[in-house]
Amino acid sequence: AAGVIQSPRHLIKEKRETATLKCYPIPRHDTVYWYQQGPGQDPQFLISFYEKMQSDKGSIPDRFSAQQFSDYHSELNMSSLELGDSALYFCASTGTSGTNTQYFGPGTRLTVL
Amino acid sequence: AQSVTQPDIHITVSEGASLELRCNYSYGATPYLFWYVQSPGQGLQLLLKYFSGDTLVQGIKGFEAEFKRSQSSFNLRKPSVHWSDAAEYFCAVGVTAVSKLTFGTGTRLQVTL
Repeated sequence: AAGVIQSPRHLIKEKRETATLKCYPIPRHDTVYWYQQGPGQDPQFLISFYEKMQSDKGSIPDRFSAQQFSDYHSELNMSSLELGDSALYFCASTGTSGTNTQYFGPGTRLTVL
Repeated sequence: AQSVTQPDIHITVSEGASLELRCNYSYGATPYLFWYVQSPGQGLQLLLKYFSGDTLVQGIKGFEAEFKRSQSSFNLRKPSVHWSDAAEYFCAVGVTAVSKLTFGTGTRLQVTL
């Protein structure tokens, strides 16, 4: 079965640079979520989209922005990167089952030097 | 706001022994409940979920969990642990069919041979 695809899988950036993370949800899933997992931490919700509209927002820094496109893929844009942004970034998607079953991608590991 | 508590940070069991990982949630109504497993540097794999109906749910890899409303708990169990079960286990809660997930801090399972 098709899963959530994230690219790139690994990304190394310098401080103050920008990064763009991409997420391709499971086919026919219309809701996308972004989570950030710091080293040794649990995943923390950043932002979500439903039908290309932002549906919820968590503790996402103002330096970050995201959007969902017409084909339902989503991109997380991160600017003025800081050392503390080094983390594993997960995308999850869910469909219309009504059970809030979120399927997670493999994650993008971002390292800021 | 909802919250999740996983009281055990680290558990060690012998291969073949039984396992129970604890999860308690705080929310006024019955939430959507999930257990995810994460191997080092990997994504989150859904083990099982509960949102209504039979309070004992079966998942993949021989895992099961029981929802107990009176105790606000959703403990994960496995009758006989395999060495490959060594990983980090996260309990998570959602409050609607499309809401973000709030994760517990995780329980690291170590399996001795």
